[in-house]
Amino acid sequence: AQTVTQSQPEMSVQEAETVTLSCTYDTSESNYYLFWYKQPPSRQMILVIRQEAYKQQNATENRFSVNFQKAAKSFSLKISDSQLGDTAMYFCAFNTNAGKSTFGDGTTLTVKP
Amino acid sequence: GAGVSQSPSNKVTEKGKDVELRCDPISGHTALYWYRQSLGQGLEFLIYFQGNSAPDKSGLPSDRFSAERTGGSVSTLTIQRTQQEDSAVYLCASSLNGASRGNEQFFGPGTRLTVL
Repeated sequence: AQTVTQSQPEMSVQEAETVTLSCTYDTSESNYYLFWYKQPPSRQMILVIRQEAYKQQNATENRFSVNFQKAAKSFSLKISDSQLGDTAMYFCAFNTNAGKSTFGDGTTLTVKP
Repeated sequence: GAGVSQSPSNKVTEKGKDVELRCDPISGHTALYWYRQSLGQGLEFLIYFQGNSAPDKSGLPSDRFSAERTGGSVSTLTIQRTQQEDSAVYLCASSLNGASRGNEQFFGPGTRLTVL
């Protein structure tokens, strides 16, 4: 079975500071993609960042970056210079077999002014 | 362009009634997904369509749940004889090509189902 674990149900950070959300996963597949999705309080989910397992270089999208440790099956998300609009629920997910994504239970992040 | 849309946005029904939830994917997206999200929880995969066929129905929780997709576009998720445990937000997503593992999924706003 493929699983995704997000061990931090809730986190908070002060505006302009940096926060890291953790994610671990388990799969026997060798080729897969990892994703972080963001679900703001309005509830429409959007993609934050993605990483292909074969790529060693960590993905970066502006203030968002990942720390991908394939051997440890760890995929953490770092948000730099946190903004109030970053307040949301963040989901870690991965795709292995075509068409099926496995999601974690999410981390609720609150950015405080 | 238009994103993924879902209707209704909210549905309240009585236990034992049937409900239909609709999803309109982004035009040109061949892959369509249904998920269930209970309050404050993660996403539970229900079913995936590539075109009009569903190669993976493994997530449907019981035979009361069914889904179809017609014309490679609109999809309907039907729940028969609803139970209180079916109460959740049902999310639909589409992607350009489900066969590509790296494709981003675009999500709709969801349908909040409440079974009384």
